[in-house]
Amino acid sequence: QQQVKQSPQSLIVQKGGISIINCAYENTAFDYFPWYQQFPGKGPALLIAIRPDVSEKKEGRFTISFNKSAKQFSLHIMDSQPGDSATYFCAASSRGGGADGLTFGKGTHLIIQP
Amino acid sequence: EAGVVQSPRYKIIEKKQPVAFWCNPISGHNTLYWYRQNLGQGPELLIRYENEEAVDDSQLPKDRFSAERLKGVDSTLKIQPAELGDSAVYLCASSPWTSGGYNEQFFGPGTRLTVL
Repeated sequence: QQQVKQSPQSLIVQKGGISIINCAYENTAFDYFPWYQQFPGKGPALLIAIRPDVSEKKEGRFTISFNKSAKQFSLHIMDSQPGDSATYFCAASSRGGGADGLTFGKGTHLIIQP
Repeated sequence: EAGVVQSPRYKIIEKKQPVAFWCNPISGHNTLYWYRQNLGQGPELLIRYENEEAVDDSQLPKDRFSAERLKGVDSTLKIQPAELGDSAVYLCASSPWTSGGYNEQFFGPGTRLTVL
């Protein structure tokens, strides 16, 4: 059972554009929703995270939008740059977030064209 | 601050052979995780340690996989015997978990295992 569904699988965006990646979850016990960025040959690195008590969180060019009733959350990358080209994973966990293991989506391969 | 260290970075073995992966977490991080990442997929949790105690090993295939974290610091994940389907990247992560906190999991670079 896939508990976190991520789309699209791949995405091509022009430099300066907005990249949008969507995730949906099933487990209502999830209470921590991070996004990870992974470059080839590297481990995932935390980009930004949100808890369900807020609907939006912004850090620099990265914004998470969260819709608790729809059980969906999304990552927006504003002014996308070639250096943002990577694989992005949404994830979720329950019971306080950091301690429990994360359930990841399948990833989105993002390419920013110059 | 040094990150999560894993070794080896790459390992190629023949099926039915044993293999072991080593992880040294960030100093002071009492929670340690092992994940497996298949090609083109997200990481999947195998086991979670709180200090030396395995508190969640429900996803660990116990017939062939084992793990230990004897002194609550570094950890070893073993596969014996390896099967073709075990080819994947094995990721170690650590977290400075505190009660009620939302703490980032820091990932190592992973060990890429190829089983021939």
